[in-house]
Amino acid sequence: QVQLQESGPGLVKPSQTLSLTCTVSGGSISSGDYYWSWIRQPPGKGLEWIGYIYYSGSTYYNPSLKSRVTISVDTSKNQFSLKLSSVTAADTAVYYCAGVNPYSNQFDYWGQGTLVTVSS
Amino acid sequence: EIVLTQSPGTLSLSPGERATLSCRASQSVSSSYLAWYQQKPGQAPRLLIYGASSRATGIPDRFSGSGSGTDFTLTISRLEPEDFAVYYCQQYGSSPQYTFGQGTKLEIK
Repeated sequence: QVQLQESGPGLVKPSQTLSLTCTVSGGSISSGDYYWSWIRQPPGKGLEWIGYIYYSGSTYYNPSLKSRVTISVDTSKNQFSLKLSSVTAADTAVYYCAGVNPYSNQFDYWGQGTLVTVSS
Repeated sequence: EIVLTQSPGTLSLSPGERATLSCRASQSVSSSYLAWYQQKPGQAPRLLIYGASSRATGIPDRFSGSGSGTDFTLTISRLEPEDFAVYYCQQYGSSPQYTFGQGTKLEIK
């Protein structure tokens, strides 16, 4: 059973870069079985896909966030990471990492989520 | 971008009743790429249905999905107390792009 765990600062100042890491256990990122994705959910609101990375390093981003997002992978640590630059209060959200089935494109596995607040 | 609109926004029902949740897409969606999730307060979403009608591992058979094209439905045949939650539909489109509906809150009447 694949498990995911997000980690990173819970508070980021406006205009700075949000950085989160997702550690995968119970499976290898290098297996190629999943796309590794980030999704966010502002408090009391719905879900927004941020982007994903494949073990090979190929990335795809939500066009609405593309200019500010970088997702990277470290196969040696079985981790993948999110960087979101120039954050504002609108980026305050629970950030989830997830494993995406590459054949039917649903989010099979989710981390528990981590709340990131953007505030000075 | 394909927009998913869920209805109703809130559904008030009693345990034992049947729940019907709707997800309408702004353009045709491949049935292979339509999924449903359940989210309880303070928890991550949980996959219920993928490919419009296939139940995920461990999901009780009171949950079923149907539909095609632009209209999809999640049905819960007999509500259990643990089924009261928020439900989201999700689609995958080329680019690639993943979008979610705004959610339906299923609350106890």
